[in-house]
Amino acid sequence: DAKTTQPTSMDCAEGRAANLPCNHSTISGNEYVYWYRQIHSQGPQYIIHGLKNNETNEMASLIITEDRKSSTLILPHATLRDTAVYYCIVRHHNAGNNRKLIWGLGTSLAVNP
Amino acid sequence: DAGVIQSPRHEVTEMGQEVTLRCKPISGHDYLFWYRQTMMRGLELLIYFNNNVPIDDSGMPEDRFSAKMPNASFSTLKIQPSEPRDSAVYFCASSFGISGANVLTFGAGSRLTVL
Repeated sequence: DAKTTQPTSMDCAEGRAANLPCNHSTISGNEYVYWYRQIHSQGPQYIIHGLKNNETNEMASLIITEDRKSSTLILPHATLRDTAVYYCIVRHHNAGNNRKLIWGLGTSLAVNP
Repeated sequence: DAGVIQSPRHEVTEMGQEVTLRCKPISGHDYLFWYRQTMMRGLELLIYFNNNVPIDDSGMPEDRFSAKMPNASFSTLKIQPSEPRDSAVYFCASSFGISGANVLTFGAGSRLTVL
């Protein structure tokens, strides 16, 4: 699986968009980008995933560059409840019987009032 | 659905004691995962099951750890004997099928402290 690189920490003002970057320069053609987050004292929570097209759901938007070497998770109107560690994971969609996700350290996002 | 349910939420025990953590996955999910999280090592996959059968237990630290899934709605992770270095948050997660392979739903976790 491709390795990902994320900033250690970021700050965002409440109500503003939070843009969380992820570099995955060694991504292969059939690997997807997945985003999870972990709010303090809770289990990780799936947010969104994509292959090459931009994706949007009720939680966030995922923008993947044309060369697929990097992506950005966008929280359009961050709230205090979005304060969490955000993990970017690259993985084959059909993992067969290899289901080990590599979590890394993620980005600690602090949303400030 | 109530999501993935784990118990106990907190466990404090003494070194040498047996610890059993429990998990009820989301109904209909055919994959179940046990993860451990510590500050030093982050999130680590310990073992996962598919249709109640253990598929990969390569992450289980040593023979003191064992996991079972007697049916589709219940799994246990047992540590015997427990040691202080086992102190961590243990998460159970479940997912459905091939298309949902990497979309996991996690429980709230069981925080274990071994004194």
